[in-house]
Amino acid sequence: GAGVSQSPSNKVTEKGKDVELRCDPISGHTALYWYRQSLGQGLEFLIYFQGNSAPDKSGLPSDRFSAERTGGSVSTLTIQRTQQEDSAVYLCASSDRTSGRLETQYFGPGTRLLVL
Amino acid sequence: DQQVKQNSPSLSVQEGRISILNCDYTNSMFDYFLWYKKYPAEGPTFLISISSIKDKNEDGRFTVFLNKSAKHLSLHIVPSQPGDSAVYFCAASGGGSTLGRLYFGRGTQLTVWP
Repeated sequence: GAGVSQSPSNKVTEKGKDVELRCDPISGHTALYWYRQSLGQGLEFLIYFQGNSAPDKSGLPSDRFSAERTGGSVSTLTIQRTQQEDSAVYLCASSDRTSGRLETQYFGPGTRLLVL
Repeated sequence: DQQVKQNSPSLSVQEGRISILNCDYTNSMFDYFLWYKKYPAEGPTFLISISSIKDKNEDGRFTVFLNKSAKHLSLHIVPSQPGDSAVYFCAASGGGSTLGRLYFGRGTQLTVWP
C-alpha cells in the first residue's frame, strides 16, 4: 500500500521567503506528525494532529511556523520569513491511533529545505 | 534537554558478527520504545519496538532488550549484513503531556564491512 508521501522532495529558497511543505499520510491514519532533522541532530518534534482535536503545537520553534491539516488527511507546514537556521530535513509521519496508544509512526521521505 | 541519548555516534562491525546499538533515556514516563533505520536521503523506516511491560522483543535477526531499572535499551542485530549499514535511531514515547510525540536520540551510524 501507499506510504506517507511528502512534497517537494527538495526546496531551495532565499532568506525571508515563505515556504509550504506538504504531507499526505497513509490512508486511514488518524494521527499526523511533523518533525525536523537538522544536520547532525536527532529528529525534533514540531506538531501533532489527532483526528478533530486541537493540534499539539508545543514543538514549533517560533511563530513563523504553522501547520494545518485539512479534512483530517493532507497537512501543510508553512514557514514564514525563512531564516538560514530553518535549513533542515522536514519529516512527516502518520499513525493509526485507533489501534491503541502504543502505535507506531511511519515516516515519509522528507523535504530537504535549504535557506540561502 | 536530550531525553533519549545514543552515546555512540558510530559503530563498525564485520559481516556475520553481532551489532549492538545502545540507547539510554531519562524520562520514567516513557513506556514505548522504537528503533528506526535510516538510509541517506530517505525517511526513517520502522524496525522494531518494545513496550515497557516486556524486556525483550525479537523479530528475525533483530532483538530489542529493555532494562527499565537502568533506563536502557539495546538493539542486537545477528548476524550483521552489509545491507544493515545505515543510521539507527532510538525513539521513545509516553503518556501525559508527551502523548503522541516521539523523542529521538541523535542516531548511531552502523557500518557493516565484508
